[in-house]
Amino acid sequence: KNEVEQSPQNLTAQEGEFITINCSYSVGISALHWLQQHPGGGIVSLFMLSSGKKKHGRLIATINIQEKHSSLHITASHPRDSAVYICAVPSNFGNEKLTFGTGTRLTIIP
Amino acid sequence: KAGVTQTPRYLIKTRGQQVTLSCSPISGHRSVSWYQQTPGQGLQFLFEYFSETQRNKGNFPGRFSGRQFSNSRSEMNVSTLELGDSALYLCASSLGPEQYFGPGTRLTVT
Repeated sequence: KNEVEQSPQNLTAQEGEFITINCSYSVGISALHWLQQHPGGGIVSLFMLSSGKKKHGRLIATINIQEKHSSLHITASHPRDSAVYICAVPSNFGNEKLTFGTGTRLTIIP
Repeated sequence: KAGVTQTPRYLIKTRGQQVTLSCSPISGHRSVSWYQQTPGQGLQFLFEYFSETQRNKGNFPGRFSGRQFSNSRSEMNVSTLELGDSALYLCASSLGPEQYFGPGTRLTVT
């Protein structure tokens, strides 16, 4: 079974700062998911990546398959980025059943 | 395209009762997964349905069950509710590996 660790658990930063959230997993995967959850509960899928790097606006996700590690970066952070960010991986390679990290609660102060 | 919808959005039940939650996937998506989110355990996989068949199952007691209809809509049922079942229940639909989450149903058991 895949074990997922995220760090940090909580992160508070000033508006405009560069943010990095890390995710490590224990078993080889087909793809890793980054999710965003705002207060109120709704979850949005930000990225699904299996290699390299993906960029969407101010968000960048990278993955190192050999090291079993992924990072989510936010450039020029804004208060609206305040949310919980969760990484998720398949429980076993090729399995769509997801195992989730505990999440990183990000607060951006204006 | 309309997103994933879940009904009801909020529900209050009493211990011992049963509850049925509904999820309508994005049109054309045949896979529906269910997740439970609690403050203590985070997000946990419940089960996944594909073409009316349960394809994957998480580690939850038999009180938790689900089904999927021919139009891909899915329901989950929890019988003999316990206080610990209070949670946000999320469903997600997919066509491939990327999952699209609904807004969730917040269940409170008193």
